Amino acid sequence: AQSVTQLGSHVSVSEGALVLLRCNYSSSVPPYLFWYVQYPNQGLQLLLKYTSAATLVKGINGFEAEFKKSETSFHLTKPSAHMSDAAEYFCAVSDLSGADGLTFGKGTHLIIQP
Amino acid sequence: DAGVTQSPTHLIKTRGQQVTLRCSPKSGHDTVSWYQQALGQGPQFIFQYYEEEERQRGNFPDRFSGHQFPNYSSELNVNALLLGDSALYLCASSSPGGRSPLHFGNGTRLTVT
Repeated sequence: AQSVTQLGSHVSVSEGALVLLRCNYSSSVPPYLFWYVQYPNQGLQLLLKYTSAATLVKGINGFEAEFKKSETSFHLTKPSAHMSDAAEYFCAVSDLSGADGLTFGKGTHLIIQP
Repeated sequence: DAGVTQSPTHLIKTRGQQVTLRCSPKSGHDTVSWYQQALGQGPQFIFQYYEEEERQRGNFPDRFSGHQFPNYSSELNVNALLLGDSALYLCASSSPGGRSPLHFGNGTRLTVT
């Protein structure tokens, strides 16, 4: 069984500040890990994915995430927040086959203060 | 290149009714998955279709059923609607055979009254 915990349902940062969204996972098998972003009234867009290659993964829009097996974490960061980053962010885990679908966290709403 | 398209975008139904939601996958994708996203929650896996067969199913009752057509498009059917079925239903496609990252459509917002 797999599960994802996203710490903080809401995170507020100032424009230009560091963004850090936390994700911890539980998986009985080596996981694939993902971060998705959802803008209002839209579907989910893939930001980045970890598939057992490099532990530091770079994604779109300046986001990156680091896989830390010892901490079972996959936190998402961006050095400098932009107003357009305001959205809902979801961390997800799957097994290597992907056949059982993705297990998502409950999401973190990112608020950017001007 | 069209992405994943879903129809309709919004739907209002009454308790006890049946509903059919439709999804066309991204060009080149052959696997379709359906997710239910309740308000304020993350998406939950309903099932996945590959080669016109249900390959895997999440923790959803038999009231939820689906179908995949030879052109890879898919339908999600929900019978005997309950108020709790109100949610955003997301379709996602991937290829080949479900191993690539999921590409999501914009969803169908179902409201059950």
